[in-house]
Order: sequence, then structure tokens, then C-alpha cells
Amino acid sequence: EAGVTQFPSHSVIEKGQTVTLRCDPISGHDNLYWYRRVMGKEIKFLLHFVKESKQDESGMPNNRFLAERTGGTYSTLKVQPAELEDSGVYFCASRTQGANTEAFFGQGTRLTVV
Amino acid sequence: GNSVTQMEGPVTLSEEAFLTINCTYTATGYPSLFWYVQYPGEGLQLLLKATKADDKGSNKGFEATYRKETTSFHLEKGSVQVSDSAVYFCGSSPRGFQKLVFGTGTRLLVSP
Repeated sequence: EAGVTQFPSHSVIEKGQTVTLRCDPISGHDNLYWYRRVMGKEIKFLLHFVKESKQDESGMPNNRFLAERTGGTYSTLKVQPAELEDSGVYFCASRTQGANTEAFFGQGTRLTVV
Repeated sequence: GNSVTQMEGPVTLSEEAFLTINCTYTATGYPSLFWYVQYPGEGLQLLLKATKADDKGSNKGFEATYRKETTSFHLEKGSVQVSDSAVYFCGSSPRGFQKLVFGTGTRLLVSP
């Protein structure tokens, strides 16, 4: 069974440009999460989808970030326009229904804004 | 709100040494506690978990005990191997694996 897959693995963009990160969860996982780790700090929650609906987006830093999950399958996270402080590693995780089902993480996308 | 504090790294050990990585948490109620590991070039993997006080999670020789009285979940291994070199993240969640709160991560370097 394929795990959580994220694209691209690395992205380097200039300040002011737009970048779109993609996450393909494990097939059948209704719950999808985005997290971010900035410069060796803690990994922070960004948002949570249940199928195509945003369940909790309390961690989104500002309105330059837009997450979508059309059809309840893969998800995208767009940053527009990117700022220097957006640099970091963006992780995606998915899990099935049920409070105690394990969250499986992707390998992350390392975003560098220069 | 919930938070997790773990010891800063890097932690540098020789093979077969004893490992402790400290982790403490603050939370309302009784969170679930986790250790995740990130090996070089890979994603986060669940290493072990505990869901209530005095539970002991264990996996691959690693152990951690949920200590409510000290709000701690320290990671231990009796004899580390070079292959254990990775970044270890302590985490908590108010319920199950929902909305995880992580520490800053501790890099472990094990030399032969």
C-alpha cells in the first residue's frame, strides 16, 4: 500500500511568487492534515480536512495560505505571495476514521523562499 | 493550550550507550502522548504511543512511560545503534491522533 506522498520534495522560489504543494493521502483516508516546521522549531498544525471539508483551520498563519481538497482525495496548499518567513518543511498526514487511528506522515516538502 | 517541551540536541552517543531524551507536556485533561521519528530523507514515523497515565509505549527497543505526576514522557533506549540516528519528536494530542502538538525535535547522532 502506498504511503502519504508529497510533491515536490523541494521548492525554491523568490519572495512574491506563488507555490503550490500537493499531498496524496493514503487511499481511503478521510482525514488529512497539514503541518509545518519552520527552521528547526516545533512542527505546528495548520489545518485538518475531513473528506473535502475543512474541519479546523485554526493553524493557518494568514490569508496568503489557501488549502483545498477537491473531491476529498488529494490536497493542495497554495502560498501566494510567498514571504521569507514561509520557508520551512511542510508535512502532510492522513488517517482513517476513528479517534485513535494512527496518523501517517509524508516525507515533507522543503520550501525555501529567497 | 497544549504544549510539548523536549530537550535540545544534538545528542551525540557512541554505539551501545544508554539514551534518554526528555519530554514534558502541558495540557488540559489527559492527552495522548507520542514519539515520532524522522530518519534522514524520510517522513515522520510513529515510534510509540501511550494514551493514559502509567501506560508504557515500546517499540524497537525504545520505551516511554506516561507520567501524569511529572507530566513527562521521556524516551529511553538501553543500547543505541548507529541506525537509530534520526530526529525524534515528542507529541501530544487531546484525543487520539487528532491535531498533534509537537516539540522542537531532538537530533540523535550515534557513532560506531
